[in-house]
Amino acid sequence: EAGVAQSPRYKIIEKRQSVAFWCNPISGHATLYWYQQILGQGPKLLIQFQNNGVVDDSQLPKDRFSAERLKGVDSTLKIQPAKLEDSAVYLCASRSQGGHYEQYFGPGTRLTVT
Amino acid sequence: QKEVEQDPGPLSVPEGAIVSLNCTYSNSAFQYFMWYRQYSRKGPELLMYTYSSGNKEDGRFTAQVDKSSKYISLFIRDSQPSDSATYLCAMSYNQAGTALIFGKGTTLSVSS
Repeated sequence: EAGVAQSPRYKIIEKRQSVAFWCNPISGHATLYWYQQILGQGPKLLIQFQNNGVVDDSQLPKDRFSAERLKGVDSTLKIQPAKLEDSAVYLCASRSQGGHYEQYFGPGTRLTVT
Repeated sequence: QKEVEQDPGPLSVPEGAIVSLNCTYSNSAFQYFMWYRQYSRKGPELLMYTYSSGNKEDGRFTAQVDKSSKYISLFIRDSQPSDSATYLCAMSYNQAGTALIFGKGTTLSVSS
């Protein structure tokens, strides 16, 4: 079974630029999460999708971050404009529907904002 | 007070040592407790999952939950250099897929 795929793996941008990250979850997984992991911290949820609907985006800075999950499969997370404090690893995770608890994480995209 | 507290370490031990990693939490609504391992430049992977208070063993790993004290632990026996990683505790309110609340992670280094 293929794991969660993310791209790009690394991205360096200047502040005030925009950036987009892509995630392809495990096939058949209905729930998709985007987490932000700042260096030295644990992952923190940004947004959770169930199929193509948003379940929880309470911690998403909506003035600059946006995310979508078209057709309930792939997802993109966008930051516009980026700030220095957005430097972090952006992790995508997915979970199957019904019963099983495990969230499977992708390798993450490491963003550096200069 | 943060919801989940975890000493970031770093923790350095010789090969073969017993390692104890711990987290405390403040919200008694947490019902499910997990330990994730994260190697450098990789995503977290699930190691252990527990629901009730008590111990759960899987090979060299033992997870312990004490809900009355709001304290969870992960023990690693006969530690190996391949165990060198960051260990993250995580918690959730239910099993319905709500997001995980993570600790900061403890960085472990096992020397041969």
